[in-house]
Amino acid sequence: DAGVIQSPRHEVTEMGQEVTLRCKPISGHNSLFWYRQTMMRGLELLIYFNNNVPIDDSGMPEDRFSAKMPNASFSTLKIQPSEPRDSAVYFCASSLAVSGINSNQPQHFGDGTRLSIL
Amino acid sequence: RKEVEQDPGPFNVPEGATVAFNCTYSNSASQSFFWYRQDCRKEPKLLMSVYSSGNEDGRFTAQLNRASQYISLLIRDSKLSDSATYLCVVLPGTFSGGYQKVTFGTGTKLQVIP
Repeated sequence: DAGVIQSPRHEVTEMGQEVTLRCKPISGHNSLFWYRQTMMRGLELLIYFNNNVPIDDSGMPEDRFSAKMPNASFSTLKIQPSEPRDSAVYFCASSLAVSGINSNQPQHFGDGTRLSIL
Repeated sequence: RKEVEQDPGPFNVPEGATVAFNCTYSNSASQSFFWYRQDCRKEPKLLMSVYSSGNEDGRFTAQLNRASQYISLLIRDSKLSDSATYLCVVLPGTFSGGYQKVTFGTGTKLQVIP
């Protein structure tokens, strides 16, 4: 079975440029998460979608960051304009959330996008 | 107090040793718990879920202590390949209304030495 698919795997670009990261969640999963990981701050949740709707975007650093989920099989995270401090590994993860007690299911992560802003 | 706190690392242990990590959580209503493993420059991967009654998977044992609000991961007969960072994950109780706040610990680094 295909896991979470992210693209690109690596991105190197100059500051000020627009960066778009892409994610295809596992088929059938209804929750999607974008994370950022750095040595200093560890794994940070940026935004969470459920059934394609953004539920919690309190982790999005600032207005330069935006995320969309136009359908159940695709999401993007966009940074515009990019800055050197945005350099990090960005992970997308998906899970299946079902109403009910003890219904939380583990998340499955994509390989990540290693982003370097020069 | 942080929502989820893990033992500070790194843990350096010899091959064959038994090592245990703890992870404390602050929300007493938390219901679901997981341990993830993350290798250097790789994505976190689910290692095991943590059930109320405790569970075992080969050399790995996970336990939950609700009274003291912590989960633990025990690794027996450590292998070199166990070297990684271990992240605990805490999720809330009943899922309703679409919100599933997930909290990751900062991770504990394990280095198994030959």
